Amino acid sequence: NAGVTQTPKFQVLKTGQSMTLQCAQDMNHNSMYWYRQDPGMGLRLIYYSASEGTTDKGEVPNGYNVSRLNKREFSLRLESAAPSQTSVYFCASRQTSGRGTGELFFGEGSRLTVL
Amino acid sequence: GNSVTQMEGPVTLSEEAFLTINCTYTATGYPSLFWYVQYPGEGLQLLLKATKADDKGSNKGFEATYRKETTSFHLEKGSVQVSDSAVYFCALSSGYKLSFGAGTTVTVRA
Repeated sequence: NAGVTQTPKFQVLKTGQSMTLQCAQDMNHNSMYWYRQDPGMGLRLIYYSASEGTTDKGEVPNGYNVSRLNKREFSLRLESAAPSQTSVYFCASRQTSGRGTGELFFGEGSRLTVL
Repeated sequence: GNSVTQMEGPVTLSEEAFLTINCTYTATGYPSLFWYVQYPGEGLQLLLKATKADDKGSNKGFEATYRKETTSFHLEKGSVQVSDSAVYFCALSSGYKLSFGAGTTVTVRA
């Protein structure tokens, strides 16, 4: 059972380059999330998709775009990478209703370095 | 908005010591509360959760009780092992968003 799969696991970009992080889940979850993890900052929510066809901004959306391609896939795009976007990115999914009791399942992370 | 504040680390303990990591939250309504753990080089995984006031979550010897009167969800373990060395995150969920604390790094020495 694969769970949540992210690609690529590592990427080095130059300032101004673009790239897309891919995420897929096979648990039939309705909600998907992108977080970034920085030392001393914990995990900060970039964007989330409560259900297929919807996306919403989280705490730190600037410089990112997302696409909920279908129920399984949720991609994160950096249009013009900046050094401040050097981070570890985590995709996660869960089955949730309005009460928010569901457990989040995480991918293994994607380490992005912007030079 | 909703937020989580947890005890700053790092925390270093000897094996078999008692561990407490404090977590307090600010939220409207009745959020669900979680503790996640991240072992070195891995993603996060759920340790325990509580979805209503006075609920106690427990797993792998860890416990936390949802205290609405003090808006707290402190994590405790009576006797830690070297294998408990990890980063621990308190998290809050209200609706579709889930917010995390900054994380507490715990190192257990043999």
